Amino acid sequence: DVKVTQSSRYLVKRTGEKVFLECVQDMDHENMFWYRQDPGLGLRLIYFSYDVKMKEKGDIPEGYSVSREKKERFSLILESASTNQTSMYLCASSPLRKAASGQETQYFGPGTRLLVL
Amino acid sequence: AQSVTQLGSHVSVSEGALVLLRCNYSSSVPPYLFWYVQYPNQGLQLLLKYTTGATLVKGINGFEAEFKKSETSFHLTKPSAHMSDAAEYFCAVTPDRGSTLGRLYFGRGTQLTVWP
Repeated sequence: DVKVTQSSRYLVKRTGEKVFLECVQDMDHENMFWYRQDPGLGLRLIYFSYDVKMKEKGDIPEGYSVSREKKERFSLILESASTNQTSMYLCASSPLRKAASGQETQYFGPGTRLLVL
Repeated sequence: AQSVTQLGSHVSVSEGALVLLRCNYSSSVPPYLFWYVQYPNQGLQLLLKYTTGATLVKGINGFEAEFKKSETSFHLTKPSAHMSDAAEYFCAVTPDRGSTLGRLYFGRGTQLTVWP
């Protein structure tokens, strides 16, 4: 089974702190994604990566950065946490898409619920 | 820009009743379509997906969905609801079949409540 793990299920941080959220996948997937989930807004893509040291901005990258030094690990960084970053953060991974084979299934971690005070 | 619309943020049904969760998408070309389910305090789990071929897709836990190109819809159904189906359901699309990135665009979700 594909396994995507996230370093913490719950996290409480103070405004202005630097926050690291870690995600590790064990299926040798090329693509990795960070989403935030808020009630009524669904999932919004923050950043994604299709290779080591490569990253692409998603729809809401402001206030976030990412790091992918190894294929299996994708880190989300809140440079200076703010209260409006209180949210559920979900990591996902998927294999490189092969034409017409529908390989886009994303596998999700359990999520990290972050509270910024 | 891609968009996915899920009609109804909350749906309530009685146990044993039909479940119908609606999803419409906007795309200039037929996309790949997905339904994910999220149980409380868990990540998302794939229910089913449509890529090519048969437009009626069967998934896990008795769910199925039909891709209707003319209606740009991919509604999720289950003939008889079970208490364990209570969860949040997300429709998603991958619009660009030429891309290897496979990024998904999600709808806002539909919370399904099942009454005994």
